[in-house]
Amino acid sequence: EAGVAQSPRYKIIEKRQSVAFWCNPISGHATLYWYQQILGQGPKLLIQFQNNGVVDDSQLPKDRFSAERLKGVDSTLKIQPAKLEDSAVYLCASSLLAGGSTDTQYFGPGTRLTVL
Amino acid sequence: AQSVTQLGSHVSVSEGALVLLRCNYSSSVPPYLFWYVQYPNQGLQLLLKYTSAATLVKGINGFEAEFKKSETSFHLTKPSAHMSDAAEYFCASNSGNTPLVFGKGTRLSVIA
Repeated sequence: EAGVAQSPRYKIIEKRQSVAFWCNPISGHATLYWYQQILGQGPKLLIQFQNNGVVDDSQLPKDRFSAERLKGVDSTLKIQPAKLEDSAVYLCASSLLAGGSTDTQYFGPGTRLTVL
Repeated sequence: AQSVTQLGSHVSVSEGALVLLRCNYSSSVPPYLFWYVQYPNQGLQLLLKYTSAATLVKGINGFEAEFKKSETSFHLTKPSAHMSDAAEYFCASNSGNTPLVFGKGTRLSVIA
């Protein structure tokens, strides 16, 4: 079974530029998550989708971050404009069921973003 | 609000020695608890999870954890460390439909 795919793996940009990350979840998984992992900290949920609808985006900085999950499969996360503090690893995860608390989340390898 | 505290950002053990990684949680409702492992340049992989069944949970790679409500703890153990266990370990918690909340992680080093 193929895992969660993410691209690119690394990205370096200047502040105020825009950037987009792509995620392809495990086939058939209903729920997709985007996490931000700042160096030295645990992952923090940014947004959760169930199929193509948003379940939780309470921690997404909506003035600069946006995300979509078209057709309930792939997802993109965009930052525009980027700030220095956005430097982090962005992790995508998916789970089979409808995002219940005991569902196992399967994580992709992440995209490491450096903002200069 | 839920929170997870991992005691010790870095733990170093000798190969063959006991591994003990500490995790304490704070939750107003019965929690679900998870341990994830992250190898360099890889995503997180689930080691084990507690979902209110047996308090002693066995996971992959010889790891286990015990849920102790009285101590609000969910410490991760392995009887004998192997070089391949060197990685970052994260404890996480949620309940009901709340998001998964992670601790800051503990980096495990294994010395030959």
